[in-house]
Amino acid sequence: GQQVMQIPQYQHVQEGEDFTTYCNSSTTLSNIQWYKQRPGGHPVFLIQLVKSGEVKKQKRLTFQFGEAKKNSSLHITATQTTDVGTYFCAANYGQNFVFGPGTRLSVLP
Amino acid sequence: DTEVTQTPKHLVMGMTNKKSLKCEQHMGHRAMYWYKQKAKKPPELMFVYSYEKLSINESVPSRFSPECPNSSLLNLHLHALQPEDSALYLCASSPRQGVGYEQYFGPGTRLTVT
Repeated sequence: GQQVMQIPQYQHVQEGEDFTTYCNSSTTLSNIQWYKQRPGGHPVFLIQLVKSGEVKKQKRLTFQFGEAKKNSSLHITATQTTDVGTYFCAANYGQNFVFGPGTRLSVLP
Repeated sequence: DTEVTQTPKHLVMGMTNKKSLKCEQHMGHRAMYWYKQKAKKPPELMFVYSYEKLSINESVPSRFSPECPNSSLLNLHLHALQPEDSALYLCASSPRQGVGYEQYFGPGTRLTVT
């Protein structure tokens, strides 16, 4: 079935370093959403991107949607220990809503 | 109230037991979802209810039986489960089903089948 891929699977960074996760689809997406799941927690909605080339910022987080609407990225500037968790992209394929495999971020103090 | 609640938080059941998971939201959302999440994996969609009607069943075995008694409540009835069904079961809701609606997740029920 339809799926989104994410890389990397894991990322270990030192506190203060930057972090980026990438999400790719083989088909054009109508929109893409990003969620964060803390260890032991549940997914929490971060943002939705809809327009080709769209860029949105939330404090230290920058989200981009590719021009072809087939890929997206999440960049965190100057990571903090509170950024620890798994970041999922998710997309609608027709009626279905599919999560990417996620990127697990650990931040060393 | 922007919260989705789920009960119980933890559940241990034998393979012959019957149990139910409950989910509630009071945000006026008309789409509700059940997901299954195994450790270190993304949530996998099981069922979607839209306006209290089953909209999507992702080929889930019949030992899982969803129910939507009203627009605020969603149940998942469990019967004759297998050990491989042990997982975190997440409920979510969104204003409507379809493109463009963010989902609000509950804290989940951690299920162990013995």
